[in-house]
Amino acid sequence: EIVLTQSPGTLSLSPGERATLSCRASQSVTNNYLAWYQQKPGQAPRLLIYGASSRATGIPDSFSGSGSGTDFTLTISRLEPEDFAVYYCQQYGSSPWTFGHGTKVEIK
Amino acid sequence: QVQLVQSGAEVKKPGASIKVSCKASGYTFNTYGISWVRQAPGQGLEWVGWISPYNGDTNYAQKLQGRVTMTTDTSASTAYMELRSLTSDDTAVYYCARKRGSGWVDSWGQGTLVAVSS
Repeated sequence: EIVLTQSPGTLSLSPGERATLSCRASQSVTNNYLAWYQQKPGQAPRLLIYGASSRATGIPDSFSGSGSGTDFTLTISRLEPEDFAVYYCQQYGSSPWTFGHGTKVEIK
Repeated sequence: QVQLVQSGAEVKKPGASIKVSCKASGYTFNTYGISWVRQAPGQGLEWVGWISPYNGDTNYAQKLQGRVTMTTDTSASTAYMELRSLTSDDTAVYYCARKRGSGWVDSWGQGTLVAVSS
């Protein structure tokens, strides 16, 4: 199965700063079938990005996804207070679909 | 708007079975698959499997093969996930979610806590 490694484990930033989250796959992700989700405590995850770079409905353009093959990035251009959460990448190009272990973006 | 409403929390003893329901509304149920994802306490997300309400096709995580069965009742727009021979490792919040395209999910249920304890 494809193992997704997310880094860093925790990112400590201030509101207004830029966040760059990495997701590296153990092998190439078919058709760049890579999604990003945001999860806040006690809530279900929320889809942000699919197909590596397509923004989901209602997601602000401060969120962007990029990358291909084995290296993917989620960028939050300017952190708002509501953006502090845990972020997961998921690949759905090969079964079994797998998730990374998450990156926590916390307030510095 | 799309809504997925799951059944309530349950406590089970080791060796028992659980069946979680997920009722969909706000879209044509047959049009999209339903994925199931679980999250152990304080841990990350784990894909459990998915089912197509259209034709009943399923795809399960290999580690759960033989213990998990997903079904749908299209007349009730409801999906079900049954997990048998429960152990403490199955303690988790189980989410259903609407599968889009090749596998991302865009709408999630509220989650169902399944606690396995003797």
